[in-house]
Amino acid sequence: KNQVEQSPQSLIILEGKNCTLQCNYTVSPFSNLRWYKQDTGRGPVSLTIMTFSENTKSNGRYTATLDADTKQSSLHITASQLSDSASYICVVSDQAGTALIFGKGTTLSVSS
Amino acid sequence: NAGVTQTPKFRILKIGQSMTLQCTQDMNHNYMYWYRQDPGMGLKLIYYSVGAGITDKGEVPNGYNVSRSTTEDFPLRLELAAPSQTSVYFCASRDGYNEQFFGPGTRLTVL
Repeated sequence: KNQVEQSPQSLIILEGKNCTLQCNYTVSPFSNLRWYKQDTGRGPVSLTIMTFSENTKSNGRYTATLDADTKQSSLHITASQLSDSASYICVVSDQAGTALIFGKGTTLSVSS
Repeated sequence: NAGVTQTPKFRILKIGQSMTLQCTQDMNHNYMYWYRQDPGMGLKLIYYSVGAGITDKGEVPNGYNVSRSTTEDFPLRLELAAPSQTSVYFCASRDGYNEQFFGPGTRLTVL
């Protein structure tokens, strides 16, 4: 069964610190892997999209990595800000690109 | 460009009532989707559409219906509301680069 597992479930860090969120998936073959940020009460917003042939993709302070061999991805957040407090969702697309399998998300809280 | 808009933002229904969740996008995207998000769970696909007049079931379609008469609109219909349909509903559209754009969501409670 296609699954996307994220860890940790929740994380609390101090403002200015870095953190790394993990994503393991069993979707195979897959087309692309995405990371979304979802603020409380809002819809998800795309941070990065990587195809199976890409190893890393950056978007400002967010850097995603992908290891297609081990079926693992990570999202690294540098110099965290209070506005980074949100749920971060890993999403894997099937080979056709039509079906998205969503992880449950990691809830990040950044405190001052 | 408003993107994807959804109405209403909140709604409380009684068991057995019906309602339509509205979704509109102004980006001329062919693909549109309806998801539900239960607390602590990943988004689940209810229905999707690849263009006007074409719809198909997703992972959790039971209890819902959709229509797609225009490119812009993709309403979701609940005919006989049940407590199990209490959730947050997100509509999304997809561009040619497989990027999905989500609406702000509709929070539905069935009592």
